[in-house]
Order: sequence, then C-alpha cells, then structure tokens
Amino acid sequence: QKEVEQNSGPLSVPEGAIASLNCTYSDRVSQSFFWYRQYSGKSPELIMSIYSNGDKEDGRFTAQLNKASQYVSLLIRDSQPSDSATYLCAVNLGTGNQFYFGTGTSLTVIP
Amino acid sequence: KAGVTQTPRYLIKTRGQQVTLSCSPISGHRSVSWYQQTPGQGLQFLFEYFSETQRNKGNFPGRFSGRQFSNSRSEMNVSTLELGDSALYLCASSGGTFPTDTQYFGPGTRLTVL
Repeated sequence: QKEVEQNSGPLSVPEGAIASLNCTYSDRVSQSFFWYRQYSGKSPELIMSIYSNGDKEDGRFTAQLNKASQYVSLLIRDSQPSDSATYLCAVNLGTGNQFYFGTGTSLTVIP
Repeated sequence: KAGVTQTPRYLIKTRGQQVTLSCSPISGHRSVSWYQQTPGQGLQFLFEYFSETQRNKGNFPGRFSGRQFSNSRSEMNVSTLELGDSALYLCASSGGTFPTDTQYFGPGTRLTVL
C-alpha cells in the first residue's frame, strides 16, 4: 500500500467553479501535511501546510484535514485557468523529517 | 531571500558514467532533501541531510549517495548510471524542525541517460 494516494484525474472544472482535490495517507502518526502545485516543466511550489484537524483557509484555497479518517483535501474556489496544474499532496511521516508525495492530480480549468 | 538553486539544470550522460548534482539551500536552512521525479513513479524521496549528516534515507540503491557541507550546500552523486536513472532530480530545503518543517524546492536538474 502506498503511503500517500491521490486520484490522478484528470479533473476538469469550468472557470469560477470549485475544484476539490483529495488525498489519503496510510501512516496514522503523520503530523504534517502539505499541498504543492506543479506546472508542467517546473518544480513543485508550496500552496499550503496544515497540521491540525479542521479547515485552514488562505485566499481562494482551503485545506481540510481529518486525521481520524487519514484524509486531507484541498478546495480551490473561483478556479482560474492559471490554476491548471498538477497538485501534489505531501505527508511528513511520523518517523522524522521524511516527506512522501502522492502521484498528483492533474487539474484543468476550462475558460 | 534567494531561493533554492540547483546546478546544472540539464545533463546528458551515457550508461555507466557517474554524475554529481549540486544544491544550495535557502539561506539559514539546514535541511536538504533530494527527490527523483519520473512520470511513472512521481516524486520519490532519496535522502535528507541535516547539519552534514544523513538523517533519513529512502529506498534507493547504494549507487545514489549524497553529502552536505558545513555551509549546508549539498551534492548528490549517482554512480554507474542506468537508463532508468533518467529523471528530474529535485532538491528541497527546509529549516529542519520536525514536525512543522516546510520544504521549498529548487528548479531541478534534468538528467538524461543515453
């Protein structure tokens, strides 16, 4: 079983809609969770980090964490064509500073 | 603050050769992690260095090695290159304070093995 799993997509949403990205992880002691965005040919860039159960909002982005269900999600409100990218979920496992990444969800926002 | 830098950005090597990649972290960051990214496997963790010591290691063969210098700069070496080593190699730096550590990526080195 992979440590971090994401739906690879592709996910398509119309401009202005809400995009919902999901991620599950296997290690119950994981303590920190991250969402990165990666444009084609570029390196990942950090969108958000979340450490506690519940929601965390930053502009159009909301991360949601449910440790009991081992589930973390990212909502993108008012999606823009510039949001079209691959979104990577990352988990810092409880064994130390060791990050594991999901394979990413490809998002396309249609103008 | 300058970001993470990686050199070279592109490399072409042949099977059996070895290669060394370099990474300079964000000023003040003491942790450097290396990842291999391929279309089929995604981002895979190679190893992490903190204060010149390897602190964590992923599941890669011994051909992959690294080191970190006293100024936190890090190098990664791959010996006896194989075709399957063709990938984007990413370096990420962070402060190193688990569990709230956040990694920031460099632009990557694209390695092609012929």
